[in-house]
Amino acid sequence: GAGVSQSPSNKVTEKGKDVELRCDPISGHTALYWYRQSLGQGLEFLIYFQGNSAPDKSGLPSDRFSAERTGGSVSTLTIQRTQQEDSAVYLCASSLGTGDYGYTFGSGTRLTVV
Amino acid sequence: QQQVKQSPQSLIVQKGGISIINCAYENTAFDYFPWYQQFPGKGPALLIAIRPDVSEKKEGRFTISFNKSAKQFSLHIMDSQPGDSATYFCAALRRRKLVFGTGTRLLVSP
Repeated sequence: GAGVSQSPSNKVTEKGKDVELRCDPISGHTALYWYRQSLGQGLEFLIYFQGNSAPDKSGLPSDRFSAERTGGSVSTLTIQRTQQEDSAVYLCASSLGTGDYGYTFGSGTRLTVV
Repeated sequence: QQQVKQSPQSLIVQKGGISIINCAYENTAFDYFPWYQQFPGKGPALLIAIRPDVSEKKEGRFTISFNKSAKQFSLHIMDSQPGDSATYFCAALRRRKLVFGTGTRLLVSP
């Protein structure tokens, strides 16, 4: 596609429910990143996928957060047992891979936990 | 731990003026320093970037100045326009992970 596509654009969920956020990267981009943007914490790294390598999960805030990337393309970020502090905009980015630092971000999914 | 400090938090500039945003970093292992522009409801968009072996980079009205010894870098927007009104983030990259500053909300008055 022309850009990084994220869905849904908005999600309201009840505390304790699980949510899945989807990211469709730019075609041909082998690297995919998830970031979170919140008022309290700013923009923070969550997880990074590069090709078939093991993902870098060092930014995931708790074991309630997980992500997978199927077929080297689409990625899903799952948050289990959502809490109010999970409310934020979840941003996905992609790049060509090693040596390419021109990350392209999607418009994000705004998650509200009530 | 805040590894990239950004100032000011907000900035109002008259049309045609120069906007200046400053950032400072702590970790000398960072190897790439991009600036992002973000409009409401959109993700950050790469504006301009610099590597630490270069002291200045200019692209159109946007210039990055980089001072490696002081561990500081800044964004200058020349001839600022109302369409430049947005939030600007500096960032630093290490091992494919971006560390962002806290953002500067720029308003360019007509």
